[in-house]
Amino acid sequence: ELKVEQNPLFLSMQEGKNYTIYCNYSTTSDRLYWYRQDPGKSLESLFVLLSNGAVKQEGRLMASLDTKARLSTLHITAAVHDLSATYFCAVDTGTASKLTFGTGTRLQVTL
Amino acid sequence: EAQVTQNPRYLITVTGKKLTVTCSQNMNHEYMSWYRQDPGLGLRQIYYSMNVEVTDKGDVPEGYKVSRKEKRNFPLILESPSPNQTSLYFCASSLLGEGYNEQFFGPGTRLTVL
Repeated sequence: ELKVEQNPLFLSMQEGKNYTIYCNYSTTSDRLYWYRQDPGKSLESLFVLLSNGAVKQEGRLMASLDTKARLSTLHITAAVHDLSATYFCAVDTGTASKLTFGTGTRLQVTL
Repeated sequence: EAQVTQNPRYLITVTGKKLTVTCSQNMNHEYMSWYRQDPGLGLRQIYYSMNVEVTDKGDVPEGYKVSRKEKRNFPLILESPSPNQTSLYFCASSLLGEGYNEQFFGPGTRLTVL
């Protein structure tokens, strides 16, 4: 059974600081997705990573994928309050195109 | 506007009273899926559909039914709801033809079963 673990589960950080969220998964995959969820809202697709070494950047967020280590990271640069949300990674093993989600990382950016 | 819609957005019901949550997408996506989201458990897949008349169980299908008679619609049916089905439900769709499964989510339906 595929397991997807995110660390940390909760992250409180000050504006202007950098930090990284980690997503580890337990089986071979070269397709990983990052989503953002604001409180009470739906999930919004952030990044699609489709190969080993893939790196995508959007604003203050950068995601990368290391398929050999079964690890993806979401790096936050110079955090701002607007980035406060819950971030999920999801792994696609290709089996019936199923996504398995991590439990999410709740990010709180304080002034 | 490309979107996934769900109705109702909020529903309070009683144990045993059959209900249907509708899901519709206007992006001509083949793949549709239902998830439930519970605190500390992330999103868990209930059922999914690869195309019209093709459905299969996800991780937590007990107590739910689905159908896919049209490409755009994928309703979730609770024949006899129970309190443990109180949850936040999301429908999602994706275009599998690109070789990956980036899913687009509906706004969610918050269900309370008393």
